[in-house]
Amino acid sequence: GEDVEQSLFLSVREGDSSVINCTYTDSSSTYLYWYKQEPGAGLQLLTYIFSNMDMKQDQRLTVLLNKKDKHLSLRIADTQTGDSAIYFCAEQGEGKLIFGQGTELSVKP
Amino acid sequence: ETGVTQTPRHLVMGMTNKKSLKCEQHLGHNAMYWYKQSAKKPLELMFVYNFKEQTENNSVPSRFSPECPNSSHLFLHLHTLQPEDSALYLCASSQVHLAGGTDEQFFGPGTRLTVL
Repeated sequence: GEDVEQSLFLSVREGDSSVINCTYTDSSSTYLYWYKQEPGAGLQLLTYIFSNMDMKQDQRLTVLLNKKDKHLSLRIADTQTGDSAIYFCAEQGEGKLIFGQGTELSVKP
Repeated sequence: ETGVTQTPRHLVMGMTNKKSLKCEQHLGHNAMYWYKQSAKKPLELMFVYNFKEQTENNSVPSRFSPECPNSSHLFLHLHTLQPEDSALYLCASSQVHLAGGTDEQFFGPGTRLTVL
């Protein structure tokens, strides 16, 4: 069945780049998403990439997609303490989203 | 709050209680979703409503009963829950296209449910 995997934790220092990785199994996915969840809040869509693209840049965020390896990554440049949150990767197939477990990003000053 | 709202934000209930969670979307979307988020587990899709019709029920126990009276409102009725049902329940909405495909989902802040 469909499955999305992420590492659970990532810790970086303020000002460094963060790279959050995700692997998925459904090769028919049309869109892949990154959501951010701050403590006590719902999920906020950060960015997404269409499956026929291999890179998308949006200010400090860079999404890389390796469709052959079914690998998605989110790079956050110049990470700030306000970026501390849980980041969810999700793939969309057949009209529904399949989420990973989320990666908890901790940014130390 | 705008977008997708959920009430209550926090709920504590006993196993014999009956309660309801409410979700409202102000985005003009035609699809709504219930998800369950438990600690350290992926989000679990529970129910999907497209154009007010339930199109998906992911093997959810009958103690959870959804209701979608119109495309803007979604309820989750709860009765005789178990402690393992304690979780964050998230509502989302999106626009589904008749020609196929769906736009991104927008999420509400969630209801933190504790079952004693």
